[in-house]
Amino acid sequence: GAGVSQTPSNKVTEKGKYVELRCDPISGHTALYWYRQSLGQGPEFLIYFQGTGAADDSGLPNDRFFAVRPEGSVSTLKIQRTERGDSAVYLCASSSLGLAGGSQETQYFGPGTRLLVL
Amino acid sequence: SQQGEEDPQALSIQEGENATMNCSYKTSINNLQWYRQNSGRGLVHLILIRSNEREKHSGRLRVTLDTSKKSSSLLITASRAADTASYFCATPEGPRGGNQFYFGTGTSLTVIP
Repeated sequence: GAGVSQTPSNKVTEKGKYVELRCDPISGHTALYWYRQSLGQGPEFLIYFQGTGAADDSGLPNDRFFAVRPEGSVSTLKIQRTERGDSAVYLCASSSLGLAGGSQETQYFGPGTRLLVL
Repeated sequence: SQQGEEDPQALSIQEGENATMNCSYKTSINNLQWYRQNSGRGLVHLILIRSNEREKHSGRLRVTLDTSKKSSSLLITASRAADTASYFCATPEGPRGGNQFYFGTGTSLTVIP
């Protein structure tokens, strides 16, 4: 079946603008993760959804970042008043949690959205 | 914060040689996963090793886990040019072993044809 998709592939915006990044997880996957990856670094955890609720948003850097998953499928990462330091690749991943819960399952990643804030 | 740290940061080998990269982590885990990333975009899951396992194989991949040393290694045998990529280890952290994933900084592998 289809993998995780993310749109747009690339987004260029100006400092201070608002952006939305979309993630379509694999159908049936209940867990959804957002990560941010800066050049030369590993992915940095932002937020984790289990169904519609944010089970862990401790990785969000500040209150300019917000994410929703209203129907437990598609998720949108929203960044307000963008700053140049927000420039990075934003990765989304989904997984199907087993009975044990937690991260016993493989995460399937989308291709990412490359955000550039000028 | 980063939980896992890969070593070396960069590795360049000839096609056909074996590539070994290492990962160290800080806290107790119930599993460790290795991922591969091409061209700074989406990551692909390679292999998962659980805390009660010491070694696991998948094709040309061999992963070891030493929980006493909090370290893991990934061995790619008979490397190919197509193996050129960045490799990351990832460990879960959370009350049930995984609301978050921590990735290391990665090893950049170049396989020269």
